[in-house]
Amino acid sequence: AQKITQTQPGMFVQEKEAVTLDCTYDTSDPSYGLFWYKQPSSGEMIFLIYQGSYDQQNATEGRYSLNFQKARKSANLVISASQLGDSAMYFCAMRVNQAGTALIFGKGTTLSVSS
Amino acid sequence: SAVISQKPSRDICQRGTSLTIQCQVDSQVTMMFWYRQQPGQSLTLIATANQGSEATYESGFVIDKFPISRPNLTFSTLTVSNMSPEDSSIYLCSVVPRGHMGEQFFGPGTRLTVL
Repeated sequence: AQKITQTQPGMFVQEKEAVTLDCTYDTSDPSYGLFWYKQPSSGEMIFLIYQGSYDQQNATEGRYSLNFQKARKSANLVISASQLGDSAMYFCAMRVNQAGTALIFGKGTTLSVSS
Repeated sequence: SAVISQKPSRDICQRGTSLTIQCQVDSQVTMMFWYRQQPGQSLTLIATANQGSEATYESGFVIDKFPISRPNLTFSTLTVSNMSPEDSSIYLCSVVPRGHMGEQFFGPGTRLTVL
């Protein structure tokens, strides 16, 4: 069965520090994609970063990077130089078999950034 | 990226009534999905909106309760029928842009409260 696990209900970090949000996944399909989204209190889902299972390098988008460890089935999100505006809920998600199936979501991690 | 709009952005409805949510995309997309996010929870897939044919529903969701239309490649509607307070949620439309399987974007969501 496909599953996404986020074990950190909440994380706290100081401004300008880096933070890692954990995500592990389970699938037996060799073709899959991993996504991270940010959901601020307004409720919108903001796409942050994507990693394909066959991608050789870890994905990066500005201050966001995805630490993809295939053997461990983990896809942790690293946010460098945290900002107050990064305070939000973060969801890890997986799409199995890149033919256009829907995303499976983890339960999310609430990140709080303090000054 | 695709620009997605949803109407209404929020609504307060009486139990027993129905509400139709519209999702409009500024470009043709391959896949369209409808998700529900109950208060404090993660996202759950309701159905895949198929262009020109009946939607594909996930376990626990039925067409009589959540009828979906997708008349073309840029527009879809979700109706929440015979509402009860348990239907109070954020409803989100999500799309996969054509030729961009590594991306999936969400609309701003419809925040529904049922009294």
